[in-house]
Amino acid sequence: GENVEQHPSTLSVQEGDSAVIKCTYSDSASNYFPWYKQELGKRPQLIIDIRSNVGEKKDQRIAVTLNKTAKHFSLHITETQPEDSAVYFCAAPSLRASGYSTLTFGKGTMLLVSP
Amino acid sequence: NAGVTQTPKFQVLKTGQSMTLQCAQDMNHNSMYWYRQDPGMGLRLIYYSASEGTTDKGEVPNGYNVSRLNKREFSLRLESAAPSQTSVYFCASREPITDYGYTFGSGTRLTVV
Repeated sequence: GENVEQHPSTLSVQEGDSAVIKCTYSDSASNYFPWYKQELGKRPQLIIDIRSNVGEKKDQRIAVTLNKTAKHFSLHITETQPEDSAVYFCAAPSLRASGYSTLTFGKGTMLLVSP
Repeated sequence: NAGVTQTPKFQVLKTGQSMTLQCAQDMNHNSMYWYRQDPGMGLRLIYYSASEGTTDKGEVPNGYNVSRLNKREFSLRLESAAPSQTSVYFCASREPITDYGYTFGSGTRLTVV
């Protein structure tokens, strides 16, 4: 099955700085890479995703880059704000024995943005 | 449009007790999932249902059973709760044909003492 490694486990930045979270995956056939944000006590929510036919995708202050050769993808947050403080999870598809694909998640990165 | 609804939100069980976690979605999604979240472990898949009438094991199925009651509902049952099952449980759904993204419920925080 898929193995997703996520780094760092915690990240502290000053407001206005950029933050980068990196993930690696093991299955070269994976073709979809979402990022989820989970605020304290809340549910994970999809914030951005990228498919394997593109190398970069942006949505306002967040962007995701994908390097299929190296099998890694990254989340970039620019001009960080205190409300960006949360746990961020990356994920990649994992092909099950049934032939169906489910998401395997990284262990998460706690991002703390100090005013 | 409620999305994915989970009940209960909190539960305390004694070791050996049983309970069922309920999940319902109103988005007409075909696929549903149960994940557990533990500190430092991320989200781990317990069981999934690719479509109505099918269920399959995920990464950590031991001690759990599931029922896909109909297209809307997917329940998770703990037959004999153990302290190791203390966790936050999330149900999720998606429509695999049109949308890769998962929609999560608000979670059930379960404590087994």
